[in-house]
Amino acid sequence: EPEVTQTPSHQVTQMGQEVILRCVPISNHLYFYWYRQILGQKVEFLVSFYNNEISEKSEIFDDQFSVERPDGSNFTLKIRSTKLEDSAMYFCASSEYWSWKGYNEQFFGPGTRLTVL
Amino acid sequence: KNEVEQSPQNLTAQEGEFITINCSYSVGISALHWLQQHPGGGIVSLFMLSSGKKKHGRLIATINIQEKHSSLHITASHPRDSAVYICAVGGDTGNQFYFGTGTSLTVIP
Repeated sequence: EPEVTQTPSHQVTQMGQEVILRCVPISNHLYFYWYRQILGQKVEFLVSFYNNEISEKSEIFDDQFSVERPDGSNFTLKIRSTKLEDSAMYFCASSEYWSWKGYNEQFFGPGTRLTVL
Repeated sequence: KNEVEQSPQNLTAQEGEFITINCSYSVGISALHWLQQHPGGGIVSLFMLSSGKKKHGRLIATINIQEKHSSLHITASHPRDSAVYICAVGGDTGNQFYFGTGTSLTVIP
């Protein structure tokens, strides 16, 4: 069964450093999403991506964040200058069509736990 | 202000019990999602609803658009159902995606 994969599973970085979180969505999916979950808190939407551009983004997704689909398979989230409060679990998801209008379910990756020291 | 409220926050049940988790929301929505988050952190999509009722195995999800309320039912609960169940909605006016804080379910053998 196809699945969304994410690497690394755990990333530890120093405050101020840049990190890149990687995701491989399911191959025939067209919509990609990033979410984060700070420990003990609820999941939050960061950004969605379709047709090689951002389709929606939340207030959290400020200038320090960027997303890219550098090739036909990877989908990356870059945090330019990490802050302590960026420590969280980051989930990637993908769907065939836009999931938030009820067209398709989303498939989630296992997450990357980011720890900023 | 919480656009999505879930109840109860925590729930302990005996194996075999019928379980109901509730979700109320305050915004107009395009779709409502029920998600399951395993103890290890992984998230699985259970249902996506914009109206009516859906059933998958022992799980049933209903939504009442007029009352802005959805319920997730688990029949014949099993210890492997132990997880956090999250309700999430996509708003009907663009960039609105709201998640509930989740209901932590523990099913005891």
